[in-house]
Amino acid sequence: EVQLVESGGGLVQPGGSLRLSCAASGFSFSDHYMDWVRQAPGKGLEWVGRAHSYTTEYAASVKGRFTISRDDSKNSLYLRMNSLKTEDTAVYYCARSSTGWYYFDYWGQGTLVTVSS
Amino acid sequence: DIQMTQSPSSLSASVGDRVTITCRASQSISSFLNWYQQKPGKAPKLLIYAASSFQSGVPSRFSGRGSGTDFTLTISSLQPEDFATYYCQQSYSSPRTFGQGTKVEIK
Repeated sequence: EVQLVESGGGLVQPGGSLRLSCAASGFSFSDHYMDWVRQAPGKGLEWVGRAHSYTTEYAASVKGRFTISRDDSKNSLYLRMNSLKTEDTAVYYCARSSTGWYYFDYWGQGTLVTVSS
Repeated sequence: DIQMTQSPSSLSASVGDRVTITCRASQSISSFLNWYQQKPGKAPKLLIYAASSFQSGVPSRFSGRGSGTDFTLTISSLQPEDFATYYCQQSYSSPRTFGQGTKVEIK
């Protein structure tokens, strides 16, 4: 059974940093792109970025502030968030991209990040 | 970036109604169009991928059509468990983009 479990969310002050983790199980982690998607309170879904073995891509809104990494030996995905802004407040989901069509076929339960003074 | 525009933003319908949601891409995305359902406090759930393919376990009352720039999600007979917010998303190119969502409410 595929499982994705995020952790690391919490309250952080503007300008601060936080690292989220996503532990994956039940599939061959190294075969898949893994993505981060966020959802601000009461708002829609926003793609944050994705990573495969040697490549990463980011949304313009987070590029230069957020870094996605992964450790395929630990089946884990990470999101390092620096210079956090109040508008980064959201539930952050990790999601698995299918091979080929790149739809998000499995999602974690999400972890809430609140940026506030 | 490819912009995804959904319509309507919300709708009210009754159990048993046929409901259609439209999604338009700002440029051709072939069939790289996916639909998700999200209920309050829950992660999104994949319904349809590649414009018209069913994800395993999705009821057959859900169907997707389209290619290029215009796509639809249809629920043939709305059930109580279908009241939720629906999002389209393109996986043709990065940045991956979502529609703004369509909230389906009980009339």
